[in-house]
Amino acid sequence: AQKITQTQPGMFVQEKEAVTLDCTYDTSDQSYGLFWYKQPSSGEMIFLIYQGSYDEQNATEGRYSLNFQKARKSANLVISASQLGDSAMYFCAMREPASGGYNKLIFGAGTRLAVHP
Amino acid sequence: ETGVTQTPRHLVMGMTNKKSLKCEQHLGHNAMYWYKQSAKKPLELMFVYSLEERVENNSVPSRFSPECPNSSHLFLHLHTLQPEDSALYLCASSQLLAGGRGEQFFGPGTRLTVL
Repeated sequence: AQKITQTQPGMFVQEKEAVTLDCTYDTSDQSYGLFWYKQPSSGEMIFLIYQGSYDEQNATEGRYSLNFQKARKSANLVISASQLGDSAMYFCAMREPASGGYNKLIFGAGTRLAVHP
Repeated sequence: ETGVTQTPRHLVMGMTNKKSLKCEQHLGHNAMYWYKQSAKKPLELMFVYSLEERVENNSVPSRFSPECPNSSHLFLHLHTLQPEDSALYLCASSQLLAGGRGEQFFGPGTRLTVL
């Protein structure tokens, strides 16, 4: 069965510095997708970045990049130039194959990031 | 309104009450989801609707009853809940995969407290 592991319950970073949030996954499928979401204290889950298993390049979206190491089954999120507004919970998720074409996501436990001024 | 909206944002109810949570998506998606997020637990998928048909029910107690009258609206009807049902309930929507990424877009959630 698919599984997502986030081993860092909490992280802190100084404003303007970069931070890496770890994510490892377990799957026997060749085709899969990996997502990162941000959840501020307001509760909404905000989609940040996506990496497909066949994508040769690491995904990037503005200050977010995904360090995808397929052989190690890791998909770490890198946030560059951290801002105070980056303080939130971050969840790694994997798309699980489901019949009917809908998208079933398996989420990790999350990492709480605190950005200090 | 844009994206996914949920009402109410906060709800306090007794164990004998009946209430409903509402979700509306303005993204033209054709799949909708209910999740439960309890403190210190991963997000739990409760129900999935694809093209207005329920396609997944993850062993959710019958005191939770979903309804999807059309592709834009999703309800979660609640009755005789237990205190352990207190949680953040998140609604999400997505396009059916068909070669796309299939990312889900979430609403702000309803914070439910059962007394």
